[in-house]
Amino acid sequence: ETGVTQSPTHLIKTRGQQVTLRCSSQSGHNTVSWYQQALGQGPQFIFQYYREEENGRGNFPPRFSGLQFPNYSSELNVNALELDDSALYLCASSWGLAGGSQETQYFGPGTRLLVL
Amino acid sequence: GESVGLHLPTLSVQEGDNSIINCAYSNSASDYFIWYKQESGKGPQFIIDIRSNMDKRQGQRVTVLLNKTVKHLSLQIAATQPGDSAVYFCAENMGDSWGKLQFGAGTQVVVTP
Repeated sequence: ETGVTQSPTHLIKTRGQQVTLRCSSQSGHNTVSWYQQALGQGPQFIFQYYREEENGRGNFPPRFSGLQFPNYSSELNVNALELDDSALYLCASSWGLAGGSQETQYFGPGTRLLVL
Repeated sequence: GESVGLHLPTLSVQEGDNSIINCAYSNSASDYFIWYKQESGKGPQFIIDIRSNMDKRQGQRVTVLLNKTVKHLSLQIAATQPGDSAVYFCAENMGDSWGKLQFGAGTQVVVTP
């Protein structure tokens, strides 16, 4: 086990609703990255947070937003849910340095979101 | 855009044999690569990584080879076991120093008795 936890494990929403997913990073890690994994595909980078600031964003619309808290846990918020948002949402934690550092990302088990 | 891709979507391997999973990448600026294993219903599990200043790295029963000339990455699993059945992803960094990853589509490895 990586020590990265996510909640909830499963979630069902309807189109137009809003959802908040949560992630607790591994002890000692200060960076959290979020990924979306559609069925049968590889994870797609959404955004990354380092010390409570967004540190890069993938090709996702503004209705995908996030937060990182002082304890380095993080939230992913998705507004105006669409059917295509149905996916496994993964967070990964790592240790980052101010100058940038490639450290291994460890993934949580994910939250399975179904939008009806 | 540039992407990471895998040659084979499914690999069937007999228990005890060696497995080789291949991956092509196209971003010449990438200098960090990782292999992940994902079992059904779980998040990706780190297997091994390699930086571009190396061409080979070994772990426990696994070896990663990097050929920068042809932009090719491979994962070798020795003495494949039933527990190795999973989807394997290669991932590359997205050209910055923070390790934001770009994943390929994955290869399903099926270990047969």
